[in-house]
Amino acid sequence: GAVVSQHPSRVICKSGTSVKIECRSLDFQATTMFWYRQFPKQSLMLMATSNEGSKATYEQGVEKDKFLINHASLTLSTLTVTSAHPEDSSFYICSADQRAGELFFGEGSRLTVL
Amino acid sequence: SQQGEEDPQALSIQEGENATMNCSYKTSINNLQWYRQNSGRGLVHLILIRSNEREKHSGRLRVTLDTSKKSSSLLITASRAADTASYFCATDSPNGANNLFFGTGTRLTVIP
Repeated sequence: GAVVSQHPSRVICKSGTSVKIECRSLDFQATTMFWYRQFPKQSLMLMATSNEGSKATYEQGVEKDKFLINHASLTLSTLTVTSAHPEDSSFYICSADQRAGELFFGEGSRLTVL
Repeated sequence: SQQGEEDPQALSIQEGENATMNCSYKTSINNLQWYRQNSGRGLVHLILIRSNEREKHSGRLRVTLDTSKKSSSLLITASRAADTASYFCATDSPNGANNLFFGTGTRLTVIP
């Protein structure tokens, strides 16, 4: 199946710093990527839909100035958590749409904000 | 909210037994998918069932869909210790966009 790579897999940062997470589709072009957030032992919550060449669409309750999404190419979307705080600590997962309708998920990035 | 619910939240069975997980959702759908997640890892797609299908099989997996009740079930037969994971159902957006809304998940533990 198609491969989606996320980097970094784990990141620890100090409160107030910004953290960038990359999501790459390695063997296919993805016009649309999705970012999810998952708290411990809970389900995934869709944060935003990232469209190549246009602004991301954010779900209700997600601060777009807090979670900056850039989809600069057909194989790369980035999520930047700005001025991170401990409550932003979470597991972030991206997925990419291969046009055939099936989504492929990255391995996830665990963010810990101290 | 479109997020679905699954039950049970946690299930513990002996190896070799069957495991059944249920999922309920709220809106109309085009398809429903089941995913597996090992602890702290990404998601693995298991099976997709379309709204006009009632049952689908894939290896040891059997999925049913009842659109009148807005519910689905995932049956894993002859479970193995390696099946230990969290299982999520996900429904697509009513507007047809390919974003998914996940259920709350079932944590399955298969005891060797």
